[in-house]
Amino acid sequence: KAGVTQTPRYLIKTRGQQVTLSCSPISGHRSVSWYQQTPGQGLQFLFEYFSETQRNKGNFPGRFSGRQFSNSRSEMNVSTLELGDSALYLCASSSSEGVRGFFGPGTRLTVL
Amino acid sequence: SQQGEEDPQALSIQEGENATMNCSYKTSINNLQWYRQNSGRGLVHLILIRSNEREKHSGRLRVTLDTSKKSSSLLITASRAADTASYFCATVDPSGYSTLTFGKGTMLLVSP
Repeated sequence: KAGVTQTPRYLIKTRGQQVTLSCSPISGHRSVSWYQQTPGQGLQFLFEYFSETQRNKGNFPGRFSGRQFSNSRSEMNVSTLELGDSALYLCASSSSEGVRGFFGPGTRLTVL
Repeated sequence: SQQGEEDPQALSIQEGENATMNCSYKTSINNLQWYRQNSGRGLVHLILIRSNEREKHSGRLRVTLDTSKKSSSLLITASRAADTASYFCATVDPSGYSTLTFGKGTMLLVSP
């Protein structure tokens, strides 16, 4: 099976802009989670989707949002970008609750 | 927020030596997982240990879990230069979701 894919791999944006990141999970996986990784805060959970429903959410402002489509592909959107949003955004898919996550290569977002 | 704390933050050893990393967490868990990350790339799953297990082996990896002390350790035996990476523990709570709560990680450097 193909692994988790994330697009784009790199993004450069300026403050105030918005950005949409995409994640395609492993075929058959219905759970997709998003994580933000920064040198200061480490790996932090953003949200998790299962069968098109957000079933868990981390402690991030409302500028961070996401959705999942019927084919399990997921997108996350960040509006009104801030310098502190510069990070590696990782997506993980899993087949069922509580089991191992399969991570994509990440999207490196730089906000100037 | 971070659930786990890894110890040490950084570890430097020679090839052939064993590397031990420790992880402590704060709340009840369904399982605990260890991941490896090479230089800002995606996370690779190493091993999962459930809350009712005490020890697990996979190749050169040995993981222990002590739920009474809320701690886990990862032992890599006969380290190789290719083991150089950051290692993270991540917990899954008993809610049934797939959300991973990560520690800050241990940077392992294995010198030839």
